[in-house]
Amino acid sequence: DAGVIQSPRHEVTEMGQEVTLRCKPISGHDYLFWYRQTMMRGLELLIYFNNNVPIDDSGMPEDRFSAKMPNASFSTLKIQPSEPRDSAVYFCASREITEAFFGQGTRLTVV
Amino acid sequence: GDSVTQMEGPVTLSEEAFLTINCTYTATGYPSLFWYVQYPGEGLQLLLKATKADDKGSNKGFEATYRKETTSFHLEKGSVQVSDSAVYFCALSAGGNEKLTFGTGTRLTIIP
Repeated sequence: DAGVIQSPRHEVTEMGQEVTLRCKPISGHDYLFWYRQTMMRGLELLIYFNNNVPIDDSGMPEDRFSAKMPNASFSTLKIQPSEPRDSAVYFCASREITEAFFGQGTRLTVV
Repeated sequence: GDSVTQMEGPVTLSEEAFLTINCTYTATGYPSLFWYVQYPGEGLQLLLKATKADDKGSNKGFEATYRKETTSFHLEKGSVQVSDSAVYFCALSAGGNEKLTFGTGTRLTIIP
């Protein structure tokens, strides 16, 4: 398996634009997580899914953020409208039993 | 709620030095404990784990022992290498909750 695949690796966008981050989890993993990493706040869990169903979205910072998992092999995290304070590295991870596997992340810069 | 507190960084050591990165936790029930490593420009990778008290996780010369009495899971390595330079995260998963709670990370730099 190629591991957790995220796209794009880098995204630069202007304030107010819509941004969509994509994730393909490892086949057979039934949990999927979205994290955000910044220097100030470290790693924050935004939302996670079990069998494509959102379980806990309490970490989603505000209504501008939304996440979907239409099937077991694909998830999106959307920010609309984006703001400069959303600049961060966004990680997707999928999990089997006790081990979580992370993608390489999407570095988002909002100017 | 669940939380992880780990040693503030950054930590700079010379090659072949002994490494300790402290990690303590607060959790309900009996958590599983993990150390993840993040190399520059990459995602996190599982380094080692322990799922019950007194278990020792080990990998690539790193070790950590699950100490329930002190609620700790300190990471150690006897002789570090330049290639160990990375950010290390302590994490837990508690009480059947599948999400991972991470510490703030410790940046380790090894100089030749």
